[in-house]
Amino acid sequence: DVKVTQSSRYLVKRTGEKVFLECVQDMDHENMFWYRQDPGLGLRLIYFSYDVKMKEKGDIPEGYSVSREKKERFSLILESASTNQTSMYLCASTRLAGGTDTQYFGPGTRLTVL
Amino acid sequence: LAKTTQPVSMDSYEGQEVNITCSHNNIATNDYITWYQQFPSQGPRFIIQGYKTKVTNEVASLFIPADRKSSTLSLPRVSLSDTAVYYCLAPPVVDTGRRALTFGSGTRLQVQP
Repeated sequence: DVKVTQSSRYLVKRTGEKVFLECVQDMDHENMFWYRQDPGLGLRLIYFSYDVKMKEKGDIPEGYSVSREKKERFSLILESASTNQTSMYLCASTRLAGGTDTQYFGPGTRLTVL
Repeated sequence: LAKTTQPVSMDSYEGQEVNITCSHNNIATNDYITWYQQFPSQGPRFIIQGYKTKVTNEVASLFIPADRKSSTLSLPRVSLSDTAVYYCLAPPVVDTGRRALTFGSGTRLQVQP
């Protein structure tokens, strides 16, 4: 079974702090994704990566950056956290490029910015 | 960007069949339609995927008409444990070369006893 893990289930940070959310997948998947999920808005894509050191902006990249130094790990960085970044953050991975391969999701990190 | 539209919410009773329809414009010729299910405090998980006509697995059926501008997820004889949010996924955007999926807002299904 594919396993996607996220570093924390719950996280509380203060405005202005730098926040790192880590995601690791154990199936040698090519593609990794970061989404945020807010009530009534569904899942919105922040960034994705289709190869090590490669990244592409999703629908809402403002205020975020990402890092993919190793194939299995994809990090989401909030350079200076703000209260409007309070949300559920979900990481996912897919085996193949092309976009319609099954996405495997992690359990999510619920981030609260005070 | 291929955009999907689906009902915000649906209610049903145990034992009934539930059909959730998703509209998707600008779907590319070779793109698949994928549905995911999400329970509270969990990430979405894959249910079913199809290209045209009908696909069936142990969980659901997926109906896609010939014009492929919509798809219908069918859940036979739902139970309380089918209460979840169901997402229909748009295929990737081809013109910019982006290779990611775009989730809509999903349909919240509530199954009553």
